[in-house]
This record gives sequence, C-alpha cells and structure tokens, in this order.
Amino acid sequence: ELKVEQNPLFLSMQEGKNYTIYCNYSTTSDRLYWYRQDPGKSLESLFVLLSNGAVKQEGRLMASLDTKARLSTLHITAAVHDLSATYFCAVDPTGNQFYFGTGTSLTVIP
Amino acid sequence: KAGVTQTPRYLIKTRGQQVTLSCSPISGHRSVSWYQQTPGQGLQFLFEYFSETQRNKGNFPGRFSGRQFSNSRSEMNVSTLELGDSALYLCASSLTYGLAGVEQFFGPGTRLTVL
Repeated sequence: ELKVEQNPLFLSMQEGKNYTIYCNYSTTSDRLYWYRQDPGKSLESLFVLLSNGAVKQEGRLMASLDTKARLSTLHITAAVHDLSATYFCAVDPTGNQFYFGTGTSLTVIP
Repeated sequence: KAGVTQTPRYLIKTRGQQVTLSCSPISGHRSVSWYQQTPGQGLQFLFEYFSETQRNKGNFPGRFSGRQFSNSRSEMNVSTLELGDSALYLCASSLTYGLAGVEQFFGPGTRLTVL
C-alpha cells in the first residue's frame, strides 16, 4: 500500500524563524504536489513538482523534490502569522489518483 | 474564471438516510475527483470520473457511488448513511486524466454531518 508521510504533524514556530516540513513517500513518483488548507476551507495549490531536483519558490515558501530519496521538502523562511495553516503533500505515481500525506499543522506565533 | 463549486455546503442527515452531493468543475475541465476528509483518516480518494466514465475508484464500500454528466458536472451519492460518514467531501477538477503533472483544483467542500 502506498504511504505518504509528513513530519512533523504539528509545528509551532515563532515569527521570523525558518523551518522545514518533510514529505516521504513509499513508491516511485516523479510528480509531487503541495497544498495549503486553512481551517474550514478547501485546499489551495501551492506547488507542482514534476521532476527530480525540481525546486520552486513562492514568497517565503520553497519546495523541492528528490525522487531518488522519495522525499520532498517545504522550507519556510522567516515565518509570518499568515502562513499558519495545514500543509499537505500529495503524490500521483500513475497519473490518475492523488495520494495525500497526513498533513502538517503549522502555527506561527507572534 | 469561476472555480470549482460544490452544493450544498452543509448537510445534516440521520443514520440510514441517503445523500447526494454535487460538483461543478472549472469550465473546460473534464475530470472530476472526489475525496473524503476526516480528522482520523485524513484525505482519502473516493473516485474519479472522466468523460462520464469512472476511471478509478478508492477503497470505499459500495454505498458510495457517483456519476458524471455530459457537461462534466458530477454527483456522488452515499446510501444508508453511517455515523462514520460524517466528513468534509471535497471535489477536485482537472483538465484531463492520466497525464503527468495535471493539477487538481479543489472546491470548497460539502460538510456532511450524520446524526
């Protein structure tokens, strides 16, 4: 059974600090997605990573993909309160079904 | 352009009843996927439809079913509701099916509560 694991599950960090969320998956996949979910809301697409070594950045967030290690990271730089949300990674190894990670609940403390 | 819409946004039902949820994808998108989100199980894939055909199905009992219409709108139905069916049901649309890197765009979800 395909597994997608994120760690940490919960993350509390101070404003201005840096941190990394990790996403490990158990099968070969060249495609990995990151989503953000605010409480009571739907999922918002953040990044689409389509190849080994792919790196994408948007504002204070940067995502990378290492398909050989089956690992993606979401790096947060100089966190601000607006980044508080739950972050999900998802893989799509066959092109027809997304498998989501467990989610990382991020709280940024002023 | 308009995003994915789901109706209704909230539903309260009792055990044993059935429910139908609706999803209208982004204009031009032909693939619709459904997911169940619960605190305990996270986001789980229910099924995907493309060109009015179910292309893939997750590990859910037969009480969960769906269909897609010629205009790409999709409905999912849950019969004989159980307490454990209480969840946020998310619909996602994408341009097509089975290709690398086809992004899924999610609707606001339908919050189903079973009493």
